[in-house]
Amino acid sequence: GAGVSQTPSNKVTEKGKYVELRCDPISGHTALYWYRQSLGQGPEFLIYFQGTGAADDSGLPNDRFFAVRPEGSVSTLKIQRTERGDSAVYLCASSLSMGTQYFGPGTRLLVL
Amino acid sequence: TQLLEQSPQFLSIQEGENLTVYCNSSSVFSSLQWYRQEPGEGPVLLVTVVTGGEVKKLKRLTFQFGDARKDSSLHITAAQPGDTGLYLCAGRRLELHDSGGSNYKLTFGKGTLLTVNP
Repeated sequence: GAGVSQTPSNKVTEKGKYVELRCDPISGHTALYWYRQSLGQGPEFLIYFQGTGAADDSGLPNDRFFAVRPEGSVSTLKIQRTERGDSAVYLCASSLSMGTQYFGPGTRLLVL
Repeated sequence: TQLLEQSPQFLSIQEGENLTVYCNSSSVFSSLQWYRQEPGEGPVLLVTVVTGGEVKKLKRLTFQFGDARKDSSLHITAAQPGDTGLYLCAGRRLELHDSGGSNYKLTFGKGTLLTVNP
């Protein structure tokens, strides 16, 4: 069964570098969400896509973070000039319209 | 700002014991969800409670939504080592956008890390 997949599963980078994190949602799911989960915390909302457009990006912490979903399926979360504080697990979830969100396994980002 | 407070943060018990974890908020949610997350995995939905006072049972797990839809509890009977994991509550609130669209935004608590020892 094809659930939500995320790549890479782990990413180690140096402070100041650029990273891209990819999310493949469940086929046919129109809604896609990105969350960030820091150590000892629950997931925090970053951005929500309905189709190709970002309907709600109020959770993005600053302008170093950007996400796209050009064809309404795969999404990429892009982080510029990474900082040590960006280290976290980045989770992607997808759903049918406003239904149950199904989460991927996450990408563990470590910024050295 | 943590809108949902979960307690306890950590819980270590022996197999066969009962336990209750709590999720409290000063905000009203349209519904509340409980998730379980294992190391290296994303959260997996256990249940959604919608109506104030609602009680749902899932095998040995009992979920309750407070009358005012601000709090919830999860009770596990006769815990087993397989119940070990991070239990997260998440409040769902309908958000309306200027574009005319809407979505349910999830706000998560910090979680309760449960360890059930054999």
